[in-house]
Formats: sequence, C-alpha cells, structure tokens
Amino acid sequence: GDSVTQMEGPVTLSEEAFLTINCTYTATGYPSLFWYVQYPGEGLQLLLKATKADDKGSNKGFEATYRKETTSFHLEKGSVQVSDSAVYFCALSDGSSGTYKYIFGTGTRLKVLA
Amino acid sequence: GAGVSQSPSNKVTEKGKDVELRCDPISGHTALYWYRQRLGQGLEFLIYFQGNSAPDKSGLPSDRFSAERTGESVSTLTIQRTQQEDSAVYLCASSFGLAGINEQFFGPGTRLTVL
Repeated sequence: GDSVTQMEGPVTLSEEAFLTINCTYTATGYPSLFWYVQYPGEGLQLLLKATKADDKGSNKGFEATYRKETTSFHLEKGSVQVSDSAVYFCALSDGSSGTYKYIFGTGTRLKVLA
Repeated sequence: GAGVSQSPSNKVTEKGKDVELRCDPISGHTALYWYRQRLGQGLEFLIYFQGNSAPDKSGLPSDRFSAERTGESVSTLTIQRTQQEDSAVYLCASSFGLAGINEQFFGPGTRLTVL
C-alpha cells in the first residue's frame, strides 16, 4: 500500500541555519504531496503542497519539489528562525484506488535555538 | 467563519466503557477524516467520508471502532469497550471538494485517556 517515510527527529539547528527534512513516498498512482506543520499547542495546518511531478510548493520561506524520479518531496528552508520550531509532517493523497484518504509520515520535530 | 471543532477536548474513561467523540466540520466541506495520533507518533488514518459516497473505513483498527456522519455535517466516532491502547489524541479534519487536492483543516483534537 501507499506509504510515507520521513527522517527521524528531533532535528536541532541554530537560528539562520539551512534546513532539510527528507520525505520519500511509495504510491500506486500519482499522488498529491503535502507538508503539514504542528506548532506547539496548536493544531495541524497546511504548510505547502504539490499536485504533480516537478511542481514546487512554497510558503513562509519553505520549499519542496515533487520529484517523481526519486519519489521524494524534501522540505527545505534557507534560514530557519526560532519560530519555526514545530513538528513537520509529510503526507500524500492518492486517488488511484478510488479514495482520497491521506497517508501521513511519522513527523519530524524541529527545534531551532537562538 | 468557524473552523473545525471537536468535543470533548479531553476524555478520561475506564477500560471497558464506550466513548463517543464528536466533530463539527467547516460548513460546506464535503470531505471529513478521522485520525488517531498516539504519543510521539504520526497520524494514523481511521476513516474518511466524502459527500454521500460510502465511507472508506479501511483504517479502523477493530470492530470496536465505528463512525457516522449525517449528510455533510457532524460526525461521531464511537469506541466500544475501550482498551488502554486506545489512549491517544483523535483528530478530525475536513476539506472542500475533491479531498485529494484541497487542503485539510484540522480540529484541535480530543485527548482520550483510558485508565
């Protein structure tokens, strides 16, 4: 079945460091890919998405490119801030089986130090 | 407008009791999802409703779990004869239109503790 694998956390960085959180997927069809973020004490919210190969999603300085050839959707940010400290979830939705349920990765906790 | 709301926010119950969790999606959202998030783990898909289509129940872990949705409004997740391993945060999300492309909006969750 479909699955999402993301790098284990926690990831600890200093402010202004470069961030990469790896995400790879397996899917039978052509899924849409998402990054969701959960800030401390808050609910999950969409960070960015890409619906087809080579699309780049971007928001709040974060970017991720849908790479079909490597089945990846890595999250990057050039300069992290303390306020980026959160748990990041990679997810896919694949409608090829007739349903659009979402599959989430296990989440990666990011801690940014001042 | 209001976001997705869930009630109760916290529920403590004894092993073997039944619990009912409620989700009020955003008005007009045709898709509704239930997930379970155990401590320190990712989101585990439970069930998905899309409009008037038959729900996708493939994520329900056992027959103790069931969910209903009335039209495109409120949904309830029922857990019968609760077990300690059912302790988790139960999240509800809704989205508008074709669920695979559109953003899900999450509720704050119900934290269930089974003693």
